[in-house]
Amino acid sequence: GAGVSQTPSNKVTEKGKYVELRCDPISGHTALYWYRQSLGQGPEFLIYFQGTGAADDSGLPNDRFFAVRPEGSVSTLKIQRTERGDSAVYLCASSPGSEQFFGPGTRLTVL
Amino acid sequence: AQSVTQPDIHITVSEGASLELRCNYSYGATPYLFWYVQSPGQGLQLLLKYFSGDTLVQGIKGFEAEFKRSQSSFNLRKPSVHWSDAAEYFCAVGAGTYKYIFGTGTRLKVLA
Repeated sequence: GAGVSQTPSNKVTEKGKYVELRCDPISGHTALYWYRQSLGQGPEFLIYFQGTGAADDSGLPNDRFFAVRPEGSVSTLKIQRTERGDSAVYLCASSPGSEQFFGPGTRLTVL
Repeated sequence: AQSVTQPDIHITVSEGASLELRCNYSYGATPYLFWYVQSPGQGLQLLLKYFSGDTLVQGIKGFEAEFKRSQSSFNLRKPSVHWSDAAEYFCAVGAGTYKYIFGTGTRLKVLA
């Protein structure tokens, strides 16, 4: 079956612009997670959805970051007024329980 | 606070040699523990996981890991490394029932 998919695979933007990153989870997985992986680091937790609601957004670095999952399936991570420090790979994962399945990530580059 | 430490940033081994990648965690309860592998430009692939029970767990690609509660460790091992094992390896602990906390990774280089 299809795994977690993320689009786009690469995104290059200019400082100050707005970007949206999309995640399509595995069908039927109720839990969805976003992580950020900076160069040379492990993934860092950003936000967790259970169904449509954000159950834990404690990892979002500031109010420029926002994520939605309006129908409990696809999720979009939104970043306003991008900064060079936002450059990273953004990973999405979905889960039916304790184990998370990761997508290939979106590499965001802010010039 | 929960944390994961992978003390080795880089490891180089010869093909056919044995491998051990170290992972230490800090977590107040019984953890869920995972090892993932990430090849360049690829997503994270689960190698193995520990939830409970037998402390020696077998994974894919010939990897195994042993949970040692007394040492707060979950080291990854492979008896004979193949050139295709060159990648970055991440240890993670499941905090509560959802978010994972990852270590900073160990990059494995395999010499022919």
